[in-house]
Amino acid sequence: DTGVSQNPRHKITKRGQNVTFRCDPISEHNRLYWYRQTLGQGPEFLTYFQNEAQLEKSRLLSDRFSAERPKGSFSTLEIQRTEQGDSAMYLCASSRTGATEAFFGQGTRLTVV
Amino acid sequence: AQKVTQAQTEISVVEKEDVTLDCVYETRDTTYYLFWYKQPPSGELVFLIRRNSFDEQNEISGRYSWNFQKSTSSFNFTITASQVVDSAVYFCALSRVSSNTGKLIFGQGTTLQVKP
Repeated sequence: DTGVSQNPRHKITKRGQNVTFRCDPISEHNRLYWYRQTLGQGPEFLTYFQNEAQLEKSRLLSDRFSAERPKGSFSTLEIQRTEQGDSAMYLCASSRTGATEAFFGQGTRLTVV
Repeated sequence: AQKVTQAQTEISVVEKEDVTLDCVYETRDTTYYLFWYKQPPSGELVFLIRRNSFDEQNEISGRYSWNFQKSTSSFNFTITASQVVDSAVYFCALSRVSSNTGKLIFGQGTTLQVKP
């Protein structure tokens, strides 16, 4: 049983560019979450999928952010027209429906220069 | 509104000392879950424990123990005989049962440094 996998681990991009991150959850986990963590802070919820349906989005998720989970397997998080304020660690987590423990990946660290 | 507060930003101890990490939460819900996660330098959050709001029994797992007190809205975490490998950032988190989403609300985290 492999854990949650996130790619890439690190991404440096110029302001204004688009970036896309990928998350592969633990197989058979129906729920998938994206969180954002800035330096010295706890993770903050961004969005949540139940299978392929995106059921909740945080107000933190501006129009420049979009997340998908086609076929209810892996998920992608895209940030368009990146800004320096987008620099953060983006964490993905998955869990079974009805379970309460979420398992996290190692995150993608984004640096916008 | 739900909120989790970890007032201790950083704690430094010498190996073999006991250390307690504080967590205070706010919620109007009567049922909820509380969690502790560990984040080592690699970045991955590692699940340590979940506690249901109805279960106020303290729990011990090896060198780890947790004290849940509903009366003071606290869920403190104690490491006995700390080791260098315990050095990490520790997060307390809250999840609402009513929302049925599993969404976690995290505290700011406490950085624990255990010196040899």
